[in-house]
Amino acid sequence: ETGVTQSPTHLIKTRGQQVTLRCSSQSGHNTVSWYQQALGQGPQFIFQYYREEENGRGNFPPRFSGLQFPNYSSELNVNALELDDSALYLCASSRPDRGLDEQYFGPGTRLTVT
Amino acid sequence: AQSVTQPDIHITVSEGASLELRCNYSYGATPYLFWYVQSPGQGLQLLLKYFSGDTLVQGIKGFEAEFKRSQSSFNLRKPSVHWSDAAEYFCAVGADPESGGSYIPTFGRGTSLIVHP
Repeated sequence: ETGVTQSPTHLIKTRGQQVTLRCSSQSGHNTVSWYQQALGQGPQFIFQYYREEENGRGNFPPRFSGLQFPNYSSELNVNALELDDSALYLCASSRPDRGLDEQYFGPGTRLTVT
Repeated sequence: AQSVTQPDIHITVSEGASLELRCNYSYGATPYLFWYVQSPGQGLQLLLKYFSGDTLVQGIKGFEAEFKRSQSSFNLRKPSVHWSDAAEYFCAVGADPESGGSYIPTFGRGTSLIVHP
């Protein structure tokens, strides 16, 4: 148990639709990172939010966007879904003063795009 | 930019046997190195990390890893594998932005560990 929760667990969407994934960070963690893990691959960094501002972004198009709320919950939004967006989406919370080793991952949301 | 390679997609061992999972990284300066484990339906759990100092790192669940700069490697080892160790293992590399790297970890594609009774 890491104290990081994600919802929903599984989701099926149709190509072209929009989806919102949610993450609840561990208490006191004001940094959240989102990762995409395609089948058979390692997690790829999408972006990070710190104090409700985007604080770094990986090689993902603008249709991937996020929000972080004052209660440390966050959302990942994906517009115009494509088949290749099918993946496990992981969020990880941390405190910036605790470094890379204090990143706690949630169990993920499995998104299937048909 | 940093990168990491896990050359083995699958590793099969018998319960009680020793284990070594390979990880090679690419980065010009001193990297930050991690091993994570992911069980089915679970998120990633940190097993151990190397930032500096002693190159032999002890982690949770009886795992250890050794940083070898000359070989650009950070292999994960366990002397005796238990059936519950069956999972996906990921090596990751990060770096200090002040030395030109990214603090965001770059993950390998993972090694699937299968444990036979």
